[in-house]
Parts: sequence; structure tokens; C-alpha cells
Amino acid sequence: GESVGLHLPTLSVQEGDNSIINCAYSNSASDYFIWYKQESGKGPQFIIDIRSNMDKRQGQRVTVLLNKTVKHLSLQIAATQPGDSAVYFCAERRVSGAGSYQLTFGKGTKLSVIP
Amino acid sequence: SAVISQKPSRDICQRGTSLTIQCQVDSQVTMMFWYRQQPGQSLTLIATANQGSEATYESGFVIDKFPISRPNLTFSTLTVSNMSPEDSSIYLCSVGLASNQPQHFGDGTRLSIL
Repeated sequence: GESVGLHLPTLSVQEGDNSIINCAYSNSASDYFIWYKQESGKGPQFIIDIRSNMDKRQGQRVTVLLNKTVKHLSLQIAATQPGDSAVYFCAERRVSGAGSYQLTFGKGTKLSVIP
Repeated sequence: SAVISQKPSRDICQRGTSLTIQCQVDSQVTMMFWYRQQPGQSLTLIATANQGSEATYESGFVIDKFPISRPNLTFSTLTVSNMSPEDSSIYLCSVGLASNQPQHFGDGTRLSIL
């Protein structure tokens, strides 16, 4: 079946360095991608999204890159801070009938920031 | 984004019993969804809660086990029926304001079955 997955399940980064979290997706018809951050005891929090007609989008300290040729998505976090420690999920959207849509989530990467 | 409140935030239940989880949103939303997140794992969609009609279930989930209600555009419930230890998970409600916008999540209900 079609799925979304991640290359690295865990990532340790020194405080102040940049972090890169990767995600592979297999559904070439997916048109919308989202990155979420989940801290312990909380629900996933929206970070940034990107549509399939774009290859890069920037937010505050975060950048998402989309490579449709190889079906790859990445999240870059600049100047990583201890508060960035969390599990990060990518999600892809598949459109269903009546204008609704479902998200398929990747496995998640745990980011640990070393002070 | 909408503020999403789930009740209870956690519970410990006996096997064979049922628990109803509530999801309340502070504004009307078009789409509401229920997910399961097993310990240390990713999120799996259980169903889309449709206002005024039966929920749409994903493969592997059935109405008898996870009945869902959505009486209006701000509220939904998920019941976990006849619970077993395998149902121990985090159950999350999410909402979608529009199909071209991200879903937003509540903080979930942490359920343990003894």
C-alpha cells in the first residue's frame, strides 16, 4: 500500500546547529504536505506546510523542501534550541470525495537537542 | 486556529467496559477526525466524523468497536467499546477548517486498559 516514511527515527543535534529531518512518500498523487511537532503529553502541533506546486517554503527558523522527482520531503530547523526537542511527523494529504481529505502520517523522528 | 478540548485527558479502564471520549471545538468546523496513536508510534486515522450522517471509517476500524457521533459542527464523541489491553493508546481528535488548510489536533486522551 502507499505510505509515508522517514529515513531517520532519531536525531541528536547540538544546540545552535541546524537540524534536517527527512521524509519519503510514495503516493505521487499527494498534493499537500504538512510537518507536525509533538511534545511529550501533547497533540501534534502544526509547524509548516507546502503544496505540490512548490519546492520550498520558509517559516520562522524552519524551511520545508519538497522534491517531487524522488518523492522526498525535508524539514530544516535553523539554530536548533532545546525547545525544539520533540517528535516530528510528516503527513501527506490524499483527497477523497465531497471535498474532505485524509492525512497519512510518517513514522516520526525524535529530535534531541544537546545543550 | 481552533481551540480543541478533549475529555477525559486520561483514564484507566477495566477490560470489557466502554469509554466515550468527547471533543469540543471553540468554533464551527467543517471536518472532524479521530486518530489512534499507539505507544511510541505514529498516528492512524480511525474515521472521519460527518455532521448529520454516519462516520466514514478507515480500513481496520468498524462502527461496532468505535461508534462516533457528531451532532453539530463543534462537537464529536468517540466510544471505544468492549475494551481490551490492545486498545491502550492515545486517541486524538483533529479538525480541518478547509480542505487546503492543515488539520489541528487536541492534546488527546491517554487510555490504559487493565
